[in-house]
Amino acid sequence: DTEVTQTPKHLVMGMTNKKSLKCEQHMGHRAMYWYKQKAKKPPELMFVYSYEKLSINESVPSRFSPECPNSSLLNLHLHALQPEDSALYLCASSQDGVTLYEQYFGPGTRLTVT
Amino acid sequence: AQSVAQPEDQVNVAEGNPLTVKCTYSVSGNPYLFWYVQYPNRGLQFLLKYITGDNLVKGSYGFEAEFNKSQTSFHLKKPSALVSDSALYFCAVRDDRENTGFQKLVFGTGTRLLVSP
Repeated sequence: DTEVTQTPKHLVMGMTNKKSLKCEQHMGHRAMYWYKQKAKKPPELMFVYSYEKLSINESVPSRFSPECPNSSLLNLHLHALQPEDSALYLCASSQDGVTLYEQYFGPGTRLTVT
Repeated sequence: AQSVAQPEDQVNVAEGNPLTVKCTYSVSGNPYLFWYVQYPNRGLQFLLKYITGDNLVKGSYGFEAEFNKSQTSFHLKKPSALVSDSALYFCAVRDDRENTGFQKLVFGTGTRLLVSP
């Protein structure tokens, strides 16, 4: 199974809402990633978890809060977002984050902030 | 820092014709290069990678890429394009993030491939 799943597929939230994005993989991968992608642009790395520890935070605003409850799950908690945060949020995984080969991506969550 | 460049925003090709999507790289040391494809409203799918060895790398869906060290290029190719190949293609390079011991992918700006019937 080479699948990374993400829920929900679409999310519309107001600027005062709190919501969470979820990502799951069952490939035994020990590194998981959150990316933000604007239309027709490459993905921008936000966070990397390696062995369930936050390894990289690319200076992401605190209104985005990642969580890795176990090696298969990755969450992204959202609070007080801005309209410019509207984007496709992609989760990915790889065998580990120290020696990176291919990453496997989920289908993404399309987020709209109103 | 490592980087890749995709000089074409869009490539147009007729179905059945060969296609090439260009990528050049700038790295210190040995490059680790990747191609990904993204269909509309979907995540990225891994196509192929170059780590070391044979300069011609074969990947998924009939795609291949040629690593050229002298020209610092890693162009994606397919002998006969299909309409279903129409998508956004990203070249990427592995980058060792300073002082962390971790690695990440650095993506090019993407090239839209449009295959006409």
